[in-house]
Order: sequence, then C-alpha cells, then structure tokens
Amino acid sequence: DAKTTQPNSMESNEEEPVHLPCNHSTISGTDYIHWYRQLPSQGPEYVIHGLTSNVNNRMASLAIAEDRKSSTLILHRATLRDAAVYYCILTNFGNEKLTFGTGTRLTIIP
Amino acid sequence: NAGVTQTPKFQVLKTGQSMTLQCAQDMNHEYMSWYRQDPGMGLRLIHYSVGAGITDQGEVPNGYNVSRSTTEDFPLRLLSAAPSQTSVYFCASSSDRNSNQPQHFGDGTRLSIL
Repeated sequence: DAKTTQPNSMESNEEEPVHLPCNHSTISGTDYIHWYRQLPSQGPEYVIHGLTSNVNNRMASLAIAEDRKSSTLILHRATLRDAAVYYCILTNFGNEKLTFGTGTRLTIIP
Repeated sequence: NAGVTQTPKFQVLKTGQSMTLQCAQDMNHEYMSWYRQDPGMGLRLIHYSVGAGITDQGEVPNGYNVSRSTTEDFPLRLLSAAPSQTSVYFCASSSDRNSNQPQHFGDGTRLSIL
C-alpha cells in the first residue's frame, strides 16, 4: 500500500488559514486522497477527498499537486473547533481499508 | 440521523472474560469495519465486511471474531479478553467498496481489560 507522510504537529492562530501538508510520493494513478480528522474523544470524521483536481466543500479545500505526489488540506478560517488530529489516507478500489498513520495534531491558538 | 451507533461506550473486563461490542448503522451501507486505537497511535483495522455473510481479516485480527448476518449489524467478539486488548474500538461503515465513498465512524467503545 502506498504510504503518506505528515508532520507530527502544527499550530495556527484562530481565524487564520491553515495549510496541512501530506506527501504521498508512491501514489498510484487510481489512488484517491482522503482526509479525515479526529476530535478529542470522538471517532474520525470525513473531511474531503479527491483524485486529481482540487476540491472544495463546506469544511475545507483540497489542493492536489500536478504530479499527485503531495497534497494540502486547507482550512480557510480556523476555529477552536478545528483543533484535532488530521489524517491523510490513500484508498483504491478493492482496497477500501483505511490505513491510518499518526496524522498531524493541529493546535489552534486563540 | 443515528448514523453508526456503538454500544457500550465504556466497559471494564477481567482477563479471560468474553464480550461482544455492538455496532449498528441505519444507512443501508454494505461495507463495515472495526478498528482499534491505542494511545498515541493511529487506527488499525481488525476485521471488515463487504456485505451480509462476508467478512475478512484486517491488520490485527487475532483474538477477535466477527459475523455479519444482517446489513445493519456488525458485532465484534472478544473470545477471551487479554490486557493487550485494552483499547478504544471504532466501527465504521460506507455505502460500498468504491474508494470514492467516505466512511462514517461511531463514537467508539472504550475497553479496559484488568
């Protein structure tokens, strides 16, 4: 399975944009890039996913590099509620199992 | 919307006891799975099911059994609890095997084995 690499932790000020990076240099052409987040004492929560093009939804934006070897999750205006561990995960048809790394722990500074 | 419901939320067992962690979803999802999460670690897949009557092993299946008799329910059984199984257990579901589909997680069962 293709692996992802994320920084262990990041900090951001409240109400500022946050860019969370993810490297996936061994990604295959059919791998989807998914992002989940886990708030304290809760189960993981789906954030966004994409294949090749940049994606936007109500929670965040996903910017995918042209060679697909890296991606960035963008939170446009961080709130205290966005403090969580963010996981970048690759999935493929027939390999629907999610392989979680240790993720990036995002701290929001008031 | 209930989504994925896990019961119980907390449980303490003695070594050697058995128990079943319940997971139910009301979204008619075909794919369901169980993960465990240990302190400071990401989630690890225990077992999964792609539909009623079909189950398969994940990364850490030893000591756990599953069955899938209905689309809605996917219970996880600990046959003889061991302290190494102290963990937080999460159940997840998605509409099908398509990797384009997001997975929905329950709030977890916190299990302690003494």
